[in-house]
Amino acid sequence: DAKTTQPPSMDCAEGRAANLPCNHSTISGNEYVYWYRQIHSQGPQYIIHGLKNNETNEMASLIITEDRKSSTLILPHATLRDTAVYYCIVRSGNQGGKLIFGQGTELSVKP
Amino acid sequence: GAVVSQHPSRVICKSGTSVKIECRSLDFQATTMFWYRQFPKQSLMLMATSNEGSKATYEQGVEKDKFLINHASLTLSTLTVTSAHPEDSSFYICSARDPGSNSEAFFGQGTRLTVV
Repeated sequence: DAKTTQPPSMDCAEGRAANLPCNHSTISGNEYVYWYRQIHSQGPQYIIHGLKNNETNEMASLIITEDRKSSTLILPHATLRDTAVYYCIVRSGNQGGKLIFGQGTELSVKP
Repeated sequence: GAVVSQHPSRVICKSGTSVKIECRSLDFQATTMFWYRQFPKQSLMLMATSNEGSKATYEQGVEKDKFLINHASLTLSTLTVTSAHPEDSSFYICSARDPGSNSEAFFGQGTRLTVV
């Protein structure tokens, strides 16, 4: 599976959009981009995933560049409860489902 | 979304004893489950892949005789930490996914193991 690079930490003001970048320059054609987050002392929570097209759900939007070498997770109106570590993971659809976690981005939403 | 339940959420045990952690998929059948370990301030590390009806597949460096995995049914996988030592103290997390090529994985709430 391709590796990902994320900034170790970011701050965001409450109510503003949080834009979390992820670099996956070695991604291959059949690999999806997944985003999970982990609030302290809990299991990771699925946010969103995509292959080529931008995706949106009730939690977030995922913007994938045309060359698929990077993506951005957007939390449109961050709240204090969005403070967590956000993980960007690239996985092939036929790899049996295992997810390999990198170091993630620690997002702090401040009042 | 699908729910994965893990039990217990916290456990304290004495050195040398064994501890069993359960992972259940509550509303779907999971032929495959995954076990992770997470030390403080670190990311999740995949330990093994649990396969229903067959042996688990362990990641490099994980001792299969120390971390026994049993996946006897389509909704239950167990991880037993045998002869636990203080260095085994960690946060253990399981995950499972509905069968499908690109469906998301769901995670349990984790088990905080403290070996004293």
